[in-house]
Amino acid sequence: NAGVTQTPKFRVLKTGQSMTLLCAQDMNHEYMYWYRQDPGMGLRLIHYSVGEGTTAKGEVPDGYNVSRLKKQNFLLGLESAAPSQTSVYFCASSYPGSRANSPLHFGNGTRLTVT
Amino acid sequence: AQSVTQLGSHVSVSEGALVLLRCNYSSSVPPYLFWYVQYPNQGLQLLLKYTSAATLVKGINGFEAEFKKSETSFHLTKPSAHMSDAAEYFCAVSEDTGNQFYFGTGTSLTVIP
Repeated sequence: NAGVTQTPKFRVLKTGQSMTLLCAQDMNHEYMYWYRQDPGMGLRLIHYSVGEGTTAKGEVPDGYNVSRLKKQNFLLGLESAAPSQTSVYFCASSYPGSRANSPLHFGNGTRLTVT
Repeated sequence: AQSVTQLGSHVSVSEGALVLLRCNYSSSVPPYLFWYVQYPNQGLQLLLKYTSAATLVKGINGFEAEFKKSETSFHLTKPSAHMSDAAEYFCAVSEDTGNQFYFGTGTSLTVIP
């Protein structure tokens, strides 16, 4: 049982390049999330999904796109990377159903640097 | 939207001393509250959660937190700090719909030998 797996672990991009971060979970969770973590700012929600084929914007969605074609996968895309997107990105998932007391399960993060 | 405030971005305690990490939330409805821990270069792990069953919640690694509605607080404590407790700690609150979680800015705990 791997839980939540993120690939890649590290990436360096040049400004304007594009990339996709992959998140996979094997817990049959309905909800999946993408967060970014920056020093002194905690975790901020980028996009989330409440089920296969659905996505929604979070607190800081600009410059990112997401897709949830399969229940177990949640992709985060950067179409034209900017230095302001240098961050650590975390994927998370939670238990099926709209249960607010279901905790998040996190991946180990992707450290992205945009030069 | 709800918000979470963690007082003190850095806390240092001696090994064996009491650990107290503060968390206050803003919510007009009964919230669901969580504490997570993050070790270096890892994701966040759940320490404990409050779901209205009991105001004093016990978590892993000897941590516990008390929900105080009158103070809108959910402070995290541990009676005796261990070197392995050095990490970053995040308080979080979720909306009743369960779609979004709001995190505090985190508190970095240092344990001094």
